[in-house]
Amino acid sequence: GQNIDQPTEMTATEGAIVQINCTYQTSGFNGLFWYQQHAGEAPTFLSYNVLDGLEEKGRFSSFLSRSKGYSYLLLKELQMKDSASYLCAVRDHQAGTALIFGKGTTLSVSS
Amino acid sequence: KAGVTQTPRYLIKTRGQQVTLSCSPISGHRSVSWYQQTPGQGLQFLFEYFSETQRNKGNFPGRFSGRQFSNSRSEMNVSTLELGDSALYLCASSRESLGTGGEAFFGQGTRLTVV
Repeated sequence: GQNIDQPTEMTATEGAIVQINCTYQTSGFNGLFWYQQHAGEAPTFLSYNVLDGLEEKGRFSSFLSRSKGYSYLLLKELQMKDSASYLCAVRDHQAGTALIFGKGTTLSVSS
Repeated sequence: KAGVTQTPRYLIKTRGQQVTLSCSPISGHRSVSWYQQTPGQGLQFLFEYFSETQRNKGNFPGRFSGRQFSNSRSEMNVSTLELGDSALYLCASSRESLGTGGEAFFGQGTRLTVV
């Protein structure tokens, strides 16, 4: 089966840097996604990693280590609007085309 | 271009009834996946449709079903509703089947409340 773990809650202050970790166990890894979801809204796509290394997109970066079953999402220069839930999701050959989601990390950014 | 459109946005049903939810994907996208989101379980995969064919199904009872039309619009149906079916139902649209790679874009969801 598949198992995805990420912290339930994190807090940070404006302007800071925060790292949200995600560990996973799958038998047929085929890519890892990060989504942002504000309360009452749809998840929005942030990043996709299938090879090891760091992918940078503006203030957001995502890292993947397939051998360790580990990923992190790095948010720089935090803003109040970054307060949201961050969802880690894995695609697994064993699960066909499904994305398997973690429970999400609720990030609260304060001034 | 228009995003993923789900209708209705909110729905209240009573136990035992059935419900049909609709999802129109982004123009040109052929894959539609459905997810159930609850506070306790998070996002859980229901099924994916690609070119009118169900490609994969999650671990949900047979009361949950779906279909996809030739224009890629998809519907999901839940029969004999139970209180535990109260959730946010999200659909995700992607250009190709997720098994081949690529992003998935989510609709705003349908908030179903079963009373």
